[in-house]
Amino acid sequence: EIVLTQSPATLSLSPGERATLSCRASQSVSSYLAWYQQKPGQAPRLLIYEASNRATGIPARFSGSGSGTDFTLTISSLEPEDFAVYYCQQRNNWPPITFGQGTRLEIK
Amino acid sequence: QVHLVQSGAEVKKPGASVKVSCKASGYTFTSNAMHWVRQAPGQRLEWMGWINTGNGNTKYSQKFQGRVTLTRDTSASTAYMDLSSLRSEDTAVYYCAIQGSPDYSHYFDYWGQGTLVTVSS
Repeated sequence: EIVLTQSPATLSLSPGERATLSCRASQSVSSYLAWYQQKPGQAPRLLIYEASNRATGIPARFSGSGSGTDFTLTISSLEPEDFAVYYCQQRNNWPPITFGQGTRLEIK
Repeated sequence: QVHLVQSGAEVKKPGASVKVSCKASGYTFTSNAMHWVRQAPGQRLEWMGWINTGNGNTKYSQKFQGRVTLTRDTSASTAYMDLSSLRSEDTAVYYCAIQGSPDYSHYFDYWGQGTLVTVSS
């Protein structure tokens, strides 16, 4: 099973700042990685798929990069609605599909 | 538009079984496989399994093999997740989810609202 490890666990930033979130895989997942945003009491929302493609309707301030084992989600300029928990997910060699443990992005 | 509507919250005793339903609308039910994902309180998302809604084929996470059964009723556009031998660690919100676009292969852009299953004596 591929283990995804996200860092940092918590990121404290202010609106307007740039956020950089990391996801590292225990073995290569090629580019088969997605990022989700989850707010309390809500289902996750797909942001990025295949490492760098924005899903439909996702603002351009969200971008993804990486391949192999190291991936990054960047939010170029934080909006108040961006403060949430972010998860990465891989689909290489499934089953199983696996998720990271999440990064909590909180207002500083 | 696509909607996935799940059944309501459940409270079960240890050792019991639970069956959660997920009714789909707004698309051709048999064209999109249904995945099930759960989230225990404060924990990461955990993929449980997948059902091909067209032919009924399934794949399960090894963690749940033998305890989870995924089925579907194509006439009702509804998928079901049955989890047996419940224990306290199974207390979680259970989600159904699909990929809405062929581009999103095994990524999930449509989710049900979640069903809270509480296991308690």
